[in-house]
Amino acid sequence: EPEVTQTPSHQVTQMGQEVILRCVPISNHLYFYWYRQILGQKVEFLVSFYNNEISEKSEIFDDQFSVERPDGSNFTLKIRSTKLEDSAMYFCASRLMGGGANVLTFGAGSRLTVL
Amino acid sequence: GDSVTQMEGPVTLSEEAFLTINCTYTATGYPSLFWYVQYPGEGLQLLLKATKADDKGSNKGFEATYRKETTSFHLEKGSVQVSDSAVYFCALSGFSGGSNYKLTFGKGTLLTVNP
Repeated sequence: EPEVTQTPSHQVTQMGQEVILRCVPISNHLYFYWYRQILGQKVEFLVSFYNNEISEKSEIFDDQFSVERPDGSNFTLKIRSTKLEDSAMYFCASRLMGGGANVLTFGAGSRLTVL
Repeated sequence: GDSVTQMEGPVTLSEEAFLTINCTYTATGYPSLFWYVQYPGEGLQLLLKATKADDKGSNKGFEATYRKETTSFHLEKGSVQVSDSAVYFCALSGFSGGSNYKLTFGKGTLLTVNP
């Protein structure tokens, strides 16, 4: 069964460092998402991406965050200068089509620890 | 905005016990409703979904019925197994504009089933 692949599974970084989290969505999917889950809290929407541009972003997704689909297969989330509060599990997801009934397929997540 | 409220855990049951995890939602329009499950060390997996009022989603012995009148989507299973131990997330897919839908999650409920 096709799956969404995320790397790294766990990254530890120092506050102020740049981090790039990578995702390979399912190959024929068109819509891409990043979510995050701070330990013990809700899974929160960060950003959605369609047709090579951001279609929606949350208040969390400030100027420190950016997304890119550099080569038609990878979908990356960059945090320019990490803060302690960025420590979380980050989930990438993709879906084939628009429409609310269509299912998002999630990756296993990348755990980011900021020291 | 859209929101999902689900029963907070943790929930601890003995094998073969009956499970209910309550979920209620607030949304404009007619969202699709989902239950996702996260097994230890893994990503979010779709468990079941319902796309309109009175629909019943079911999978692996789990069921949930879309109740528009009570804005609820409670998860039930008649006889749980140790292998059902996981975190369960209720979610809704709401319209965000254009062709964009995003998932809004509840906080998650940790279920532990003891032999």
